[in-house]
Amino acid sequence: KAGVTQTPRYLIKTRGQQVTLSCSPISGHRSVSWYQQTPGQGLQFLFEYFSETQRNKGNFPGRFSGRQFSNSRSEMNVSTLELGDSALYLCASSLLGSNSPLHFGNGTRLTVT
Amino acid sequence: SQQGEEDPQALSIQEGENATMNCSYKTSINNLQWYRQNSGRGLVHLILIRSNEREKHSGRLRVTLDTSKKSSSLLITASRAADTASYFCATDGEETSGSRLTFGEGTQLTVNP
Repeated sequence: KAGVTQTPRYLIKTRGQQVTLSCSPISGHRSVSWYQQTPGQGLQFLFEYFSETQRNKGNFPGRFSGRQFSNSRSEMNVSTLELGDSALYLCASSLLGSNSPLHFGNGTRLTVT
Repeated sequence: SQQGEEDPQALSIQEGENATMNCSYKTSINNLQWYRQNSGRGLVHLILIRSNEREKHSGRLRVTLDTSKKSSSLLITASRAADTASYFCATDGEETSGSRLTFGEGTQLTVNP
């Protein structure tokens, strides 16, 4: 099975712009979650989607949004970018339910200048 | 904020030695998971231990869980240079079960050849 695919791998944006990141989960996985990783804050949960519905949301401002399509692919969007949004954004897919491990993509490295 | 705390933050050992990493957490959990991350890459799931389990083995990995102390340890035996990576514990809380994991700050393991 192909793993979780995230595109693009690297992205450079300027403050005020918006960005869209894409994630294709492992075939058969209907749950997709997003995490932000920074040196200062570590790994922080952004949101989780299942069957095109947001199930959980982390403590991030409304500038961070996401969606999931009928084929389980997911996108996240960050509007009005700030310098502090520079991070590695990781997508993970899993079978729904507790005790199901997450399968991560290699992430999108976003740099905001 | 991170629920988990890991120690040590960094660990440097020689090939063939054992490496032990510890993780503490704060709330009740369904399970605790360990992940590995190579520099600039996504996280790879290593092992999951449920709250009613005390010890689990997978190859050279041994994980223990003490729910009374809210702590876990990961032991890697006979380490190899390829084990060099960051290791994270992650908890699946009873109140937020599923894909919303809370990650520790990680331990950077360096295995010298």
